[in-house]
Amino acid sequence: KQEVTQIPAALSVPEGENLVLNCSFTDSAIYNLQWFRQDPGKGLTSLLLIQSSQREQTSGRLNASLDKSSGRSTLYIAASQPGDSATYLCAVKETSGSRLTFGEGTQLTVNP
Amino acid sequence: GAVVSQHPSRVICKSGTSVKIECRSLDFQATTMFWYRQFPKKSLMLMATSNEGSKATYEQGVEKDKFLINHASLTLSTLTVTSAHPEDSSFYICSARLGGRLDTQYFGPGTRLTVL
Repeated sequence: KQEVTQIPAALSVPEGENLVLNCSFTDSAIYNLQWFRQDPGKGLTSLLLIQSSQREQTSGRLNASLDKSSGRSTLYIAASQPGDSATYLCAVKETSGSRLTFGEGTQLTVNP
Repeated sequence: GAVVSQHPSRVICKSGTSVKIECRSLDFQATTMFWYRQFPKKSLMLMATSNEGSKATYEQGVEKDKFLINHASLTLSTLTVTSAHPEDSSFYICSARLGGRLDTQYFGPGTRLTVL
């Protein structure tokens, strides 16, 4: 059974700092991995999706990497801003059309 | 990008009543929709997978008679919480699958259910 773990559970940083969020998964046979952002009381916003054949994806200040063999992904946020404060969730899909398995999330607070 | 809506966004009901939550894919057809439940400060727990025109597939431990799911069209799935009790209070989120190469799920904004 696939298990997804995110470390740290919570992170508080000053504005402007570069930071890394970690995600690990137990079964490396995945179809894709996705990073989401969730604001309090809201739904999920997809940030980046990495196919199993890809090593990384970038969008603006965000960069996500994938190392399938070691079962790890990182989300790098450059020059963090208070507006980045949210919970970041990583999820893996094992096969096309299958469910997403979510990690518990990292709650990020960026202090002005 | 693709948009998924949920209605209502928030509902408060009395214990024993039934509540229906709608999930719509606004600009694409979704043969598969998913229903999740989220407890405070916890991740999303998949409740069931809903396929258009067929019965939903429920996850282990989810009561299918308690949480009725109907996926009558390619753009609409509904979740009905029957005879709701306070322990059913939670945040319910749906997602709709847009197939193709990326096989992406798009999430609705969620519904906050409070059962008094």
